[in-house]
Amino acid sequence: DADVTQTPRNRITKTGKRIMLECSQTKGHDRMYWYRQDPGLGLRLIYYSFDVKDINKGEISDGYSVSRQAQAKFSLSLESAIPNQTALYFCATNSGQGDTQYFGPGTRLTVL
Amino acid sequence: AQSVTQLGSHVSVSEGALVLLRCNYSSSVPPYLFWYVQYPNQGLQLLLKYTTGATLVKGINGFEAEFKKSETSFHLTKPSAHMSDAAEYFCAVSPRGFQKLVFGTGTRLLVSP
Repeated sequence: DADVTQTPRNRITKTGKRIMLECSQTKGHDRMYWYRQDPGLGLRLIYYSFDVKDINKGEISDGYSVSRQAQAKFSLSLESAIPNQTALYFCATNSGQGDTQYFGPGTRLTVL
Repeated sequence: AQSVTQLGSHVSVSEGALVLLRCNYSSSVPPYLFWYVQYPNQGLQLLLKYTTGATLVKGINGFEAEFKKSETSFHLTKPSAHMSDAAEYFCAVSPRGFQKLVFGTGTRLLVSP
């Protein structure tokens, strides 16, 4: 079984809809991250969390919110989706600075 | 702010040729350095990383990278390309004393027969 799972893997939605992307990890790590990937831009950090009570904004947090429901679960929400949020979204986890980040398989989101 | 530059959004090589993917970072203090690979329709997988110690780092699948402080570089190499190496490669840095990973824009490696 994969260490980091993301659901759904693909999602098509309409402008204005609320959508939640979910991430679970079985590595026992405290730190979790949400990134989005756009062609030619690499990965950009949306939000990150170092434990259940710690949530931090990344470089592109506008339009997004997160919830850390447990050590193993970190969800990303788009309250009112817009077309420029169409992207590939990745969840990642690690145990500390300098430690390898382990990535999920990604969620491809299309906002029409 | 910390930044990472990957020179060349696409690199094409023939099977068996040397692979060289370039990465430069901007930081007065050497950060932690990583190379990740992304195969089509998959997540990112760590190839190798430098945190401390020996500046030549060996990774999976025959790749290696050398940290050069004087050049602020961490270029990725492989002596002989294989068709299965075709993928997108990302250089990333984590500044010491900070907690985040900053990615370059990626280089797509194309391998022709």
